[in-house]
Amino acid sequence: QQQVKQSPQSLIVQKGGISIINCAYENTAFDYFPWYQQFPGKGPALLIAIRPDVSEKKEGRFTISFNKSAKQFSLHIMDSQPGDSATYFCAASTEGGKLIFGQGTELSVKP
Amino acid sequence: GAGVSQSPRYKVTKRGQDVALRCDPISGHVSLYWYRQALGQGPEFLTYFNYEAQQDKSGLPNDRFSAERPEGSISTLTIQRTEQRDSAMYRCASSHFGGPQHFGDGTRLSIL
Repeated sequence: QQQVKQSPQSLIVQKGGISIINCAYENTAFDYFPWYQQFPGKGPALLIAIRPDVSEKKEGRFTISFNKSAKQFSLHIMDSQPGDSATYFCAASTEGGKLIFGQGTELSVKP
Repeated sequence: GAGVSQSPRYKVTKRGQDVALRCDPISGHVSLYWYRQALGQGPEFLTYFNYEAQQDKSGLPNDRFSAERPEGSISTLTIQRTEQRDSAMYRCASSHFGGPQHFGDGTRLSIL
């Protein structure tokens, strides 16, 4: 019940395309859902986050879509760029608590 | 400092030795978290503190692992009698109370 399942494991997208990464959870007590971006040799960096009282949040080219009834949320990267090539992790937590991470998606954006 | 600082960046030690990993959080951050990240996996929670109080240590794998944050700032994760299975990247994160967690670049621990 504490797991967060992420898919796909890897993703190749052409420059200018849309990258979509999906996550699903079971624990209805989760109330905070961040996405992290990680480059090789660096720690995860917070990209965007959402709480379950909204269905969508957009920041620049990055959008989170949240479906509370289905217990699913997804990250959409519009106009994907080679510089977006990284590993992306979804996560979930209860307020102030530990983050439960998905398994990660390795995104490669081809020029 | 500007971000979460972890030291050492790399630690190689022989099986059976004790190791201490240090985390210096972002100034003013109340909460401090420790995670372990295996290659190709997401970080896995170990323990966390609010100020100097350890709030949750449910992720510590066994009693060889311990953590402290005596003055509510710098934290040390200690692994006693290290085993090869302890080899991993150990990451620290900090946050304002209830705020987003900011990660350091980690300590790569290798047990020979």
